Amino acid sequence: EPEVTQTPSHQVTQMGQEVILRCVPISNHLYFYWYRQILGQKVEFLVSFYNNEISEKSEIFDDQFSVERPDGSNFTLKIRSTKLEDSAMYFCASSSDRVGTDTQYFGPGTRLTVL
Amino acid sequence: QKEVEQNSGPLSVPEGAIASLNCTYSDRGSQSFFWYRQYSGKSPELIMSIYSNGDKEDGRFTAQLNKASQYVSLLIRDSQPSDSATYLCAVNAPAAGNKLTFGGGTRVLVKP
Repeated sequence: EPEVTQTPSHQVTQMGQEVILRCVPISNHLYFYWYRQILGQKVEFLVSFYNNEISEKSEIFDDQFSVERPDGSNFTLKIRSTKLEDSAMYFCASSSDRVGTDTQYFGPGTRLTVL
Repeated sequence: QKEVEQNSGPLSVPEGAIASLNCTYSDRGSQSFFWYRQYSGKSPELIMSIYSNGDKEDGRFTAQLNKASQYVSLLIRDSQPSDSATYLCAVNAPAAGNKLTFGGGTRVLVKP
């Protein structure tokens, strides 16, 4: 069964450093998402991406964040200058339809720890 | 601010019993509703989706949707210890793009 994959599973970084989180969405999916979940809190939407551009972003997704689809398979989230409060699980998801009647499938997540 | 609310639990049920989970949402434009299961430290795993009022059954799981009351529920029949997890309700409103808005989850503990 196709699945979303993410690397690395765990990333430890120093405050102020740049990190890139990588995702490989399900191959025939067209819509890609990043969510995050701070320990003990809700899963929060960050950004959605379609046709090589951002379709929607949340208030969390400020200028420190960027997304890119550098090739036909990868989807990346970059945090330019990490802060302590960026420590969270970051989930990539993908779906095949935007109409709102299709399901988003989640990857296993990357645990980001900012020291 | 569009909200999705769930009782945080824990909901403790004996093995073999029915677990009943509830979720309310504030955005009347919501059209797609999902239940995800999340084990500690893991990612959300889809259990069920529901789009129309009424019941939808899949194995031991039944989702119920009432758009007039802005309410969606999940029943887990014949609960097993492996069902012990946090259950997340997620809602998608097309007017809000295709993002999912999640509730805080209900923690379920199934005791042998």
